Amino acid sequence: QKEVEQDPGPLSVPEGAIVSLNCTYSNSAFQYFMWYRQYSRKGPELLMYTYSSGNKEDGRFTAQVDKSSKYISLFIRDSQPSDSATYLCAMDSGAGSYQLTFGKGTKLSVIP
Amino acid sequence: DVKVTQSSRYLVKRTGEKVFLECVQDMDHENMFWYRQDPGLGLRLIYFSYDVKMKEKGDIPEGYSVSREKKERFSLILESASTNQTSMYLCASSPWTGTYEQYFGPGTRLTVT
Repeated sequence: QKEVEQDPGPLSVPEGAIVSLNCTYSNSAFQYFMWYRQYSRKGPELLMYTYSSGNKEDGRFTAQVDKSSKYISLFIRDSQPSDSATYLCAMDSGAGSYQLTFGKGTKLSVIP
Repeated sequence: DVKVTQSSRYLVKRTGEKVFLECVQDMDHENMFWYRQDPGLGLRLIYFSYDVKMKEKGDIPEGYSVSREKKERFSLILESASTNQTSMYLCASSPWTGTYEQYFGPGTRLTVT
């Protein structure tokens, strides 16, 4: 079983829809969770950062962590064509290795 | 804002050439990383460095070496480029303590012909 599983998509939604992106993981030691957005032919940019369980909101974006289920989600409200990108989840145990474990990314297209 | 820059956006090299990819970060981060990203394979860690002159192998170090002579600069070296090293190369940096998020550069698209 891979450490982090992420549906590659592609996911296509109409403008204005609520988008749900998800990752599951197997390592119960993970405590730090990140979401990156990567536009085509660009480097990933950090979108959301969450420590341990719970929700974090930033504008139209909400990151949710459920450690009991080993499941993290990114919700995008009122999706825009500019949200079209690949979204990667990443996580770390905080044990000092400083190496993130990444999902392979979900490609999202928001259709006007 | 953290800024990570990479020396080239696009690079075309011939098989057997020695290739240098340069990365510079301006946030005084201790940790720096080199990844390659290929369709269907995601991000794969090549090497990372947690201090000047220190380096650790990642998941796919074969065919690559690195150099970190100054804190802000981390170089990836392809000793003898091969066609299977055609890829997008991404550099990242992160602080030593507190949080673990990494900040990425724009990437270098390397084609080896």
